[in-house]
Amino acid sequence: SAVISQKPSRDICQRGTSLTIQCQVDSQVTMMFWYRQQPGQSLTLIATANQGSEATYESGFVIDKFPISRPNLTFSTLTVSNMSPEDSSIYLCSVGVTAGSYEQYFGPGTRLTVT
Amino acid sequence: SQQGEEDPQALSIQEGENATMNCSYKTSINNLQWYRQNSGRGLVHLILIRSNEREKHSGRLRVTLDTSKKSSSLLITASRAADTASYFCATDRGGRRALTFGSGTRLQVQP
Repeated sequence: SAVISQKPSRDICQRGTSLTIQCQVDSQVTMMFWYRQQPGQSLTLIATANQGSEATYESGFVIDKFPISRPNLTFSTLTVSNMSPEDSSIYLCSVGVTAGSYEQYFGPGTRLTVT
Repeated sequence: SQQGEEDPQALSIQEGENATMNCSYKTSINNLQWYRQNSGRGLVHLILIRSNEREKHSGRLRVTLDTSKKSSSLLITASRAADTASYFCATDRGGRRALTFGSGTRLQVQP
C-alpha cells in the first residue's frame, strides 16, 4: 500500500490566478496520475506524471493549462493555470504501487473553488 | 470521455438490506475495479476482478463480471450506515495503468 498526501487540501482562488497542488507519496512509485472531479461528477484522467520526462496528457487537457512536474519517484505537482470558475473541482493524485497490478491508491484530494 | 455508465445514479436503502450497483463499459478490458468515495474525498480501492473471472467475493462485497455484455455488478450485503458513500467502477485503458471511471452510484444507507 501507499500513503499519499496532498497540499493544499482546499483553496479558494481568484479568476486568472494559478494554483500549484503537491502530491507526496511515502514510498517510491513508478506510476503517478492526476485526475479531476467536477462537482457531482465522476473522475476524469488529466495526465500521467512521468519521472524524468514530460507528462502524458489526455484528450482535452494541455500542458499550458495543467503543467505537471515529477522530479522524483515520490513527488509530483499539478498547476492549474489562468483559472476560471469552470476549473472548480476536486483534483486527486493517485499512484500504482505494485508491479503488474492495476490497483491504485488515491490522495485525499484538493478541493479548488475559483471565484 | 467516460467509458462506464453506472446505475442507479442514486440508491437509498435501510440498514441490513442489500445494495446492488451496476456498471457498463464500452471497450475490452484486462480488469475492472470498484472504488468507494466518502464525501468527495479520496477514493478507496474495494475489489478488482480480472477479465477471466466471473465472480469475486471480499467480505460483504460480491462482484460479478460479464465480459460478453460488458457489464459488472457490485453487491453489498447486510449494509451499514457506514457504507453510505459514492461507488465507482473503473476499467484499465488497454493495458495502461491509468483508469477510466464510471459515472458512479450514490448510496445512502438509512440507520
